[in-house]
Amino acid sequence: EVQLVESAGGLVQPGGSLRLSCAVSGFTVSNNYMSWVRQAPGKGLEWVSVIYSGGNTYYADSVKGRFTISRHNSKNTLYLQMNSLRTEDTAVYYCARLHYGDYAPDHWGQGTLVTVSS
Amino acid sequence: QSVLTQPPSASGTPGQRVTISCSGGSSNIGSNFVYWYQQLPGTAPKLLIYRNNQRPSGVPDRFSGSKSGTSASLAISGLRSEDEADYFCASWDDSLSGVVFGGGTKLTVL
Repeated sequence: EVQLVESAGGLVQPGGSLRLSCAVSGFTVSNNYMSWVRQAPGKGLEWVSVIYSGGNTYYADSVKGRFTISRHNSKNTLYLQMNSLRTEDTAVYYCARLHYGDYAPDHWGQGTLVTVSS
Repeated sequence: QSVLTQPPSASGTPGQRVTISCSGGSSNIGSNFVYWYQQLPGTAPKLLIYRNNQRPSGVPDRFSGSKSGTSASLAISGLRSEDEADYFCASWDDSLSGVVFGGGTKLTVL
């Protein structure tokens, strides 16, 4: 069974940092394209970042230079390092597997809330 | 401002058929598959349609998808109260090298 389980988010002050993790079972993270998607309260879905199976990474303009996506192959885990956090980064963050070849999400984690506030 | 355009709301009565549109461009819908998701309040999105018109196992055949050019549609027939949810379309965007989403459509069952 495919499962993606995000770590707990939390409350962070503006300018602070937080690392999210996504523990995966049922498939191999390094063989797939993996993404982070976020959803601000009451808003729609926003793509944040992707890591290709080959290791290339891409980011939305809104987080470029502040967020870093990575993976740990032996732990089969995806990460999102978030630095210089802003109030507008407040959202539920989902990790997702992108369907092979189509590159749209086909499996999602349960989501974790990150609140950036003083 | 979402890259893909959806109507913010839709509604219907039980048993009716409703459609939700999703409009994009040549770098996303025009050259890639469209996916649809259902999101109930407080839960993660659930895959409803993949590759324009394919249903994952467990999704009722009341849900169907189609694509033409740079637009796509989700149709729900035999509307039921439990279909009341937010619906999102998505596609890969070759120019952005990322996933683009519609702004979401809130479906109300009257």
